[in-house]
Amino acid sequence: AQSVTQLDSHVSVSEGTPVLLRCNYSSSYSPSLFWYVQHPNKGLQLLLKYTSAATLVKGINGFEAEFKKSETSFHLTKPSAHMSDAAEYFCVVSLFSGTYKYIFGTGTRLKVLA
Amino acid sequence: EAGVAQSPRYKIIEKRQSVAFWCNPISGHATLYWYQQILGQGPKLLIQFQNNGVVDDSQLPKDRFSAERLKGVDSTLKIQPAKLEDSAVYLCASSLVAARPLAPTNEKLFFGSGTQLSVL
Repeated sequence: AQSVTQLDSHVSVSEGTPVLLRCNYSSSYSPSLFWYVQHPNKGLQLLLKYTSAATLVKGINGFEAEFKKSETSFHLTKPSAHMSDAAEYFCVVSLFSGTYKYIFGTGTRLKVLA
Repeated sequence: EAGVAQSPRYKIIEKRQSVAFWCNPISGHATLYWYQQILGQGPKLLIQFQNNGVVDDSQLPKDRFSAERLKGVDSTLKIQPAKLEDSAVYLCASSLVAARPLAPTNEKLFFGSGTQLSVL
């Protein structure tokens, strides 16, 4: 069965320091993986996705994620945090079984300190 | 392009009352999803439509929740009667229909802004 585990429910970083949000997945075959961001009172926005073309995926706003099959991980990183990055981040795995189904992690709330 | 439209944006009701939410997906998107997001949790799929047919409603509390997508375009989700634990954000999402796996670049899920429901 497909599942995702986000290892940290809350992460705090200082502005200008690196961001690391961790995600591990479970999948019986090569998965599609996504990171979505949700700002307060806003809808979910796609940050980036992995679909086996390249293990290092670059997304919007300077975020990137690396797919590591040996570690079943898909961690999200950014070299330098900005105040506007404060939001909830969701790791998502999809499976295709006649149609696409998307399974969400429990989310990581990122706080950026001035 | 226009995004996924949802209304209302906020709703406050008392327990045992009824409420309905509306969603209009992106034009051409045949697959529509309703998710429930309780505070502090990730979105949970309630029901998934492909055109006007239900693909998955295994997590929909059918004694009180119902959903329809009569013409394969917009959809309504109803709760009757509401309980306190139904307080959540209800998210609608849409994607391209796929009889077989899409080309990777085409696999995307687009979300509306959600309806925040408070049951008092």
